[in-house]
Amino acid sequence: KQEVTQIPAALSVPEGENLVLNCSFTDSAIYNLQWFRQDPGKGLTSLLLIQSSQREQTSGRLNASLDKSSGRSTLYIAASQPGDSATYLCAVRNNAGNMLTFGGGTRLMVKP
Amino acid sequence: KAGVTQTPRYLIKTRGQQVTLSCSPISGHRSVSWYQQTPGQGLQFLFEYFSETQRNKGNFPGRFSGRQFSNSRSEMNVSTLELGDSALYLCASRQNLGAEAFFGQGTRLTVV
Repeated sequence: KQEVTQIPAALSVPEGENLVLNCSFTDSAIYNLQWFRQDPGKGLTSLLLIQSSQREQTSGRLNASLDKSSGRSTLYIAASQPGDSATYLCAVRNNAGNMLTFGGGTRLMVKP
Repeated sequence: KAGVTQTPRYLIKTRGQQVTLSCSPISGHRSVSWYQQTPGQGLQFLFEYFSETQRNKGNFPGRFSGRQFSNSRSEMNVSTLELGDSALYLCASRQNLGAEAFFGQGTRLTVV
């Protein structure tokens, strides 16, 4: 059974810092991995999708990497801004027809 | 292009009642999945429908059911509501199996 863990559970940084969020998974035979952002009381916004054959994906100030063999993914946020404050969730899909298995999320606060 | 639309956004129901939640996927998307989010359990998979057929089902009691219509819209039904069913119910759509998942804003269900 796939298990996904995100460390740290919460993070507070001053504006402008570069930061890294971590995601680990127990079963390395994944199909893809997706990073989401969730604002309080809202739905999930897809940030990046990494297919199992890819090593990284970039979108603006966000860069996600994937190391399947070690069961790890990182989300790098450059030059953080207060508007980046949210909960970041990582989710793994084991095959195309399977569900997403989510980590517990990292709650990020960026202070002005 | 409209995103995933969930209705209603908020619901308050009494224990023992039943409830139906609706999800309209992004146009052209054939897969709809449902997830339950609670503070204690995080995001848990309920079921997924693809072309009107249930493909996968999570570990929830039979009180939770769903269906998908020919236009890909999906409904989720919970019968005999319990206090523990209070949660944010999220719907996700994807164009086909293996594609990126996009989530709606969720339906906040409160059972009193």
